[in-house]
Amino acid sequence: GAVVSQHPSWVICKSGTSVKIECRSLDFQATTMFWYRQFPKQSLMLMATSNEGSKATYEQGVEKDKFLINHASLTLSTLTVTSAHPEDSSFYICSARGDRESQPQHFGDGTRLSIL
Amino acid sequence: DQQVKQNSPSLSVQEGRISILNCDYTNSMFDYFLWYKKYPAEGPTFLISISSIKDKNEDGRFTVFLNKSAKHLSLHIVPSQPGDSAVYFCAATLSGGYQKVTFGTGTKLQVIP
Repeated sequence: GAVVSQHPSWVICKSGTSVKIECRSLDFQATTMFWYRQFPKQSLMLMATSNEGSKATYEQGVEKDKFLINHASLTLSTLTVTSAHPEDSSFYICSARGDRESQPQHFGDGTRLSIL
Repeated sequence: DQQVKQNSPSLSVQEGRISILNCDYTNSMFDYFLWYKKYPAEGPTFLISISSIKDKNEDGRFTVFLNKSAKHLSLHIVPSQPGDSAVYFCAATLSGGYQKVTFGTGTKLQVIP
């Protein structure tokens, strides 16, 4: 099946630093990539949707200047959490979808971000 | 506003018996539904989906039933196996074009050997 690789899987950093998370589709071209955030015992909350070569579409309440998304190629999207603070600590998951209608999203294994 | 709801946060089933996970949605525009399985510290894995033009889709031990009038779907796993123990997310979307998926809150399934 389709494979989506997310890196790093776990990161701990000091408050005020920026953290970049990569999401790669390994065996298919991802025309659309999604970034989710999951709090403990809660559902996956969509943060933004990005299409290759265009600006990301952010969900209501998500700060686009805080969470920078770049989808420079059909196999790579990055999420940068800028000037991270403890409240940004969470589990971030990316997913990718090809160009066929009704093709399900395939998820990466997530990144556990802990801001001290 | 939670448009996709899984009212049972957890479910325990004996190995070999049937597991039934339920999901309700409120947005009548949704026309494509998916089930994902998730282990701790991993991303969700796609299990099975169903289009609104069908009322049943089967794949091996997994069957999804859709009742559009009730805005309800369910996932049946039979026979249940200990390896099925995970959190199951129901998801709904609009087919075609921009596919924003809305997830339920998940049901933790425990299959007891």
